[in-house]
Amino acid sequence: KAGVTQTPRYLIKTRGQQVTLSCSPISGHRSVSWYQQTPGQGLQFLFEYFSETQRNKGNFPGRFSGRQFSNSRSEMNVSTLELGDSALYLCASSLTGDPNSPLHFGNGTRLTVT
Amino acid sequence: AQSVAQPEDQVNVAEGNPLTVKCTYSVSGNPYLFWYVQYPNRGLQFLLKYITGDNLVKGSYGFEAEFNKSQTSFHLKKPSALVSDSALYFCAVLGRGGYQKVTFGIGTKLQVIP
Repeated sequence: KAGVTQTPRYLIKTRGQQVTLSCSPISGHRSVSWYQQTPGQGLQFLFEYFSETQRNKGNFPGRFSGRQFSNSRSEMNVSTLELGDSALYLCASSLTGDPNSPLHFGNGTRLTVT
Repeated sequence: AQSVAQPEDQVNVAEGNPLTVKCTYSVSGNPYLFWYVQYPNRGLQFLLKYITGDNLVKGSYGFEAEFNKSQTSFHLKKPSALVSDSALYFCAVLGRGGYQKVTFGIGTKLQVIP
């Protein structure tokens, strides 16, 4: 079974631009979560989607948004990029989003904002 | 609010010796607890989880963790460390009744010395 696929692996953008990151979950998984990983902050929860509905949201500004499609694929968008948005963005899928089904992570998208 | 503390940024252990990576948590009610491992340039991989039942949980690659409710701890252990265990380890907690809004610790780097 293919794992969680995130594209692209690397992105370099300049301040003020916007970016879209893509995540394809494991086949059959309906829950997709997004996390921002930085050396100082660790993993910070962004949001979680299940069956195209956002069920949970972390404490990030409105510049961070996401969506999930009917095939469970998810995208995350960051508008008006700031230097502090440079991070590894991780997507994770699980079967139901229920704690009994662990998170399966992709390898991440490394975003660098210059 | 839920939180996780990993008090050690780095743990060094000689190959063949037992290892412990510490984790304490704070959450309302009974927790779901997890350990994940991250190798360089990769996403996180699930190691083990505590949901209910036995306080000693066994997971992948010979790792185990002990849930201690009175000390609100969930330390990761392995009887004999391998050089290939060198990686970044994350403890995570989820309060009951919530979907996948998992809170991660900041991570502990494990260095196994040959």
